[in-house]
Parts: sequence; C-alpha cells; structure tokens
Amino acid sequence: GAVVSQHPSWVICKSGTSVKIECRSLDFQATTMFWYRQFPKQSLMLMATSNEGSKATYEQGVEKDKFLINHASLTLSTLTVTSAHPEDSSFYICSARVTGGRTGELFFGEGSRLTVL
Amino acid sequence: AQSVTQLDSQVPVFEEAPVELRCNYSSSVSVYLFWYVQYPNQGLQLLLKYLSGSTLVKGINGFEAEFNKSQTSFHLRKPSVHISDTAEYFCAASKGSGGSNYKLTFGKGTLLTVNP
Repeated sequence: GAVVSQHPSWVICKSGTSVKIECRSLDFQATTMFWYRQFPKQSLMLMATSNEGSKATYEQGVEKDKFLINHASLTLSTLTVTSAHPEDSSFYICSARVTGGRTGELFFGEGSRLTVL
Repeated sequence: AQSVTQLDSQVPVFEEAPVELRCNYSSSVSVYLFWYVQYPNQGLQLLLKYLSGSTLVKGINGFEAEFNKSQTSFHLRKPSVHISDTAEYFCAASKGSGGSNYKLTFGKGTLLTVNP
C-alpha cells in the first residue's frame, strides 16, 4: 500500500520555540493531506485540511496562526507549531489522500510526538 | 453533525477467544465507515472499510465488520484473537459524497487487550 512518512517521530523543544513537522507521501501524489492531533488515550481530532498550492482549511477552534500549514508540493505538507507551549504537547498525525485514488482511501503517517518543556 | 460512538473504552479478552468491538454512528446522509488499528506510538493502519455493496466487509488480519443501517452500527469482529492484536482500535466515518468524504470523524477508541 501507499506509504506516508512523518519526520521527526519525536521532538522535544523549549517553550517559545517553533517546531516543524513534515508529512511526505513516498510513493504517490497527494493533493490533499490532513493533520490530526491526538491527546493521550484519546481519539484523533482533525486540525486542518492541507491542499497543495492553496491555503489550508482549519477546523473550528484551531488557531491558524499557531499551527502553520504549508503544502508546497504534491508529496509534502508541513505543520509548524509556532511559539510552542507545554499545552501544545501532543501526538500529531497526518494522513494523505491518493490523487485520483479510490473514494475514501486515506493513508496515515506514523505520527510525531511533540513535547514542549 | 456527524458523530461516532465506540461503546467500550477497553475490552480485555483471552487469546483465541472471539471478540466484538462496537461502533455506532449518527448521520443523516450516506456514510462511509472505517476501522483503524493503532499500535503504541504509531500512526493508524486501515483494517477495513465500508463504502457500498455487501454489508459484510472483510479486512486484514482476520477482522470483519458488518454494516447495519437500521441500527446505525458497524461492529468489528474477529473469531479468534492473538496476543499481537493488542492495540487501540478506532471506528471512523465520513460523509459519502463530494470532497468532504475524506474528512473523518473518529470514535474515542477501544483498547483491545489480549491476555495469554
């Protein structure tokens, strides 16, 4: 099946710094990618939809200036957590839709765990 | 708004026993349904999906699920579990039309623990 890779898998940063997480589709083109956030022992919450070549669409309650999303190519979307604070610590997961793929088919990355000290 | 309810947060079972993980959805429109598995500190892996057609869907690792429209359910089953099936299982739904059909709503997850 299609592979989606996230980097880094783990990141620890100091409060106030910015962190960038990459989501790459390794063997397919992804016009659309999705970013989720998962708190410990909880479900995934959709943060935003990332569209190649256009602005991301954020879900209600998600600060777009806090979580910057860039989808500059058909294989890469990035999520930047700006001025991170401890409450931003979480597991961030991306998923990608295969361009022209079968309806409803999404592939998920391995996730990136962010810890803000 | 669409919602997905997983009725059990934890399900402990013994190895080789059958298991059913329950999922109910609420949607006023046609819906696509999915089951994903998540191992610790990993992303999600698709087990199976229902888009249309036969209501009994077979997935990977011996799992299957049945779509029941009248009961708005999509329960996941496996006749005999293994230790390696221990993981978190998520039921998810998306609208069945247009571009929004890729926006998934997830249930809260069910932790399946298989004991020897």
